[in-house]
Amino acid sequence: DIQMTQSPSSLSASVGDRVTITCRASQSISSYLNWYQQKPGKAPDLLIYAASSLHSGVPSRFSGSGSGTDFTLTISSLQPEDFATYYCQQSYSSPRTFGQGTKVEIK
Amino acid sequence: EVQLVESGGDLVQPGGSLRISCAASGFTFSSYWMSWVRQAPGEGLEWVANIEQDGSQIHYLDSVRGRFTISRDNAKNSVYLQMDSLRAEDTAVYYCARDGWLGWNEIDYWGQGTLVTVSS
Repeated sequence: DIQMTQSPSSLSASVGDRVTITCRASQSISSYLNWYQQKPGKAPDLLIYAASSLHSGVPSRFSGSGSGTDFTLTISSLQPEDFATYYCQQSYSSPRTFGQGTKVEIK
Repeated sequence: EVQLVESGGDLVQPGGSLRISCAASGFTFSSYWMSWVRQAPGEGLEWVANIEQDGSQIHYLDSVRGRFTISRDNAKNSVYLQMDSLRAEDTAVYYCARDGWLGWNEIDYWGQGTLVTVSS
């Protein structure tokens, strides 16, 4: 099974900050990497698919990059509604494993 | 509007069985892979299983293979997860999810989840 490792597991940031979350796969997954946002008590929402493609309706302050084993999610200017937990997921092979999550909290 | 509505979550004893369901609407159900993803209380997301459009291809998480069975009924626009030999570690919110059409096996829609609690 492909293991996904996210870092950091949590971070504190202020509104307007640039935030970067990284995700590493235990083997090459090409660009089969997705990012999801989850708020407390809610189902996740798709943000980024294919490592760098923005899902419909997602604000342009979110961006993704990377291929192979190393990936990044960047929020260019953190907004109040962005405080949430973010998960990466590889969709290269089954089981389609998730990273352990990164909780973005208010500083 | 795409909607996925799970049902059937309950409290069940260890070793017991439960079937949860997901009713889909707002899209051509028979054209999409469907998945189940779970989340234990206070924990992260864990992919459980998925099923191809006609049910001919199915994949499972190793820890549930042989105990859980995913199935679908395209005439009823529904997907199911039969869970047998349940363990305490299966306690979680179970989300029904649609694998998207963009070609990257992304999950583009999620249900609201149904809670399965395994406890004596």
